[in-house]
Amino acid sequence: DTGVSQDPRHKITKRGQNVTFRCDPISEHNRLYWYRQTLGQGPEFLTYFQNEAQLEKSRLLSDRFSAERPKGSFSTLEIQRTEQGDSAMYLCASSPTGQPQHFGDGTRLSIL
Amino acid sequence: QKEVEQNSGPLSVPEGAIASLNCTYSDRGSQSFFWYRQYSGKSPELIMFIYSNGDKEDGRFTAQLNKASQYVSLLIRDSQPSDSATYLCAVINPPGGGNKLTFGTGTQLKVEL
Repeated sequence: DTGVSQDPRHKITKRGQNVTFRCDPISEHNRLYWYRQTLGQGPEFLTYFQNEAQLEKSRLLSDRFSAERPKGSFSTLEIQRTEQGDSAMYLCASSPTGQPQHFGDGTRLSIL
Repeated sequence: QKEVEQNSGPLSVPEGAIASLNCTYSDRGSQSFFWYRQYSGKSPELIMFIYSNGDKEDGRFTAQLNKASQYVSLLIRDSQPSDSATYLCAVINPPGGGNKLTFGTGTQLKVEL
């Protein structure tokens, strides 16, 4: 049983560019979550899917952010027109319904 | 008032001692409580979860929940240098909170030789 897989592990990009991250959840986990974590803070919720349905989005998620889980398996998080403030660790977690969430290794985004 | 509050530390304990980490939460509707361990530069790792008042033990770890006082704690017995990390407390408070985890800022634990 492999854990939650995230790709890439690190992304460095220039301000204004678009970036896309991928998350592969643990097999059979129907729920998938995205969080963002900055230095010295706990992770902050961004959005969550149950199967392919996006059920909740944080007010933190501006219109530059979009997430998909088209077939209820892997998910992508896209950030358009990146800004300095988007620099953070982007964490994906998955769980079966009603069970604790397990996190992937994260994607560290640095905006130049 | 933050939804989940933790003392940022660092909390320093000698090797072999009991480390006590505390967390308070503001929403009385919170139903599920979690402790995650996070090493520097790594992602959070689930250590314990507790849903009912009282104690829950797993190896060297004990989670304690007191809903009336709105606090949850984590005890680590026989602390080891490898326990040195940041410990994140998180809660789920449906229905308004959905299924998202709301985290505190974490307590840094240092276990000294």
